[in-house]
Amino acid sequence: GAVVSQHPSWVICKSGTSVKIECRSLDFQATTMFWYRQFPKQSLMLMATSNEGSKATYEQGVEKDKFLINHASLTLSTLTVTSAHPEDSSFYICSAPGRGLRTGELFFGEGSRLTVL
Amino acid sequence: AQSVTQPDIHITVSEGASLELRCNYSYGATPYLFWYVQSPGQGLQLLLKYFSGDTLVQGIKGFEAEFKRSQSSFNLRKPSVHWSDAAEYFCAVGGNEKLTFGTGTRLTIIP
Repeated sequence: GAVVSQHPSWVICKSGTSVKIECRSLDFQATTMFWYRQFPKQSLMLMATSNEGSKATYEQGVEKDKFLINHASLTLSTLTVTSAHPEDSSFYICSAPGRGLRTGELFFGEGSRLTVL
Repeated sequence: AQSVTQPDIHITVSEGASLELRCNYSYGATPYLFWYVQSPGQGLQLLLKYFSGDTLVQGIKGFEAEFKRSQSSFNLRKPSVHWSDAAEYFCAVGGNEKLTFGTGTRLTIIP
């Protein structure tokens, strides 16, 4: 079964509204999670690193106020797209590094497709 | 800076034929290398990884990859593809947490 779960899988919203995407590690604790954005037929671009108990680290060019990240617990990170616009439409994927026997492996969520009308 | 190049955007292979997907990387130290597969509209699944040791790595679903330091390559191979192998394949390099992905290779399987 999946070890990292994202919710929702699909979301459609109106321009100007905010959307929250959740990323959960199901059977392990993740002090760090990563948020990626994938444009159609393109690769994954790292947006930010979510750190439990502290501020997220954003990659260059990613707007911190647009993409709010909260890592409230060792199993949950959320990405909130604020005041969404059509150009924010994309496939967002989270990942978490494994621990113990799974060290060295990144586990990815199923992805969340955001469509902003 | 680390980078990954997947020269083939799209590859079409007949079912039962062999497959090789190319990956070249640039990394300042000994790299960690990964191959992931993504089915349409889904997240990524790890096929295999290389950290150290034997340069020929076996993965899931019958895939293998060979690390060649002299060529900075980590090509993915499968001796006989199945229709269910049709997907997008991503090569990645980096530490075990922060990865840089290639642009992906879309694999189409024809009967």
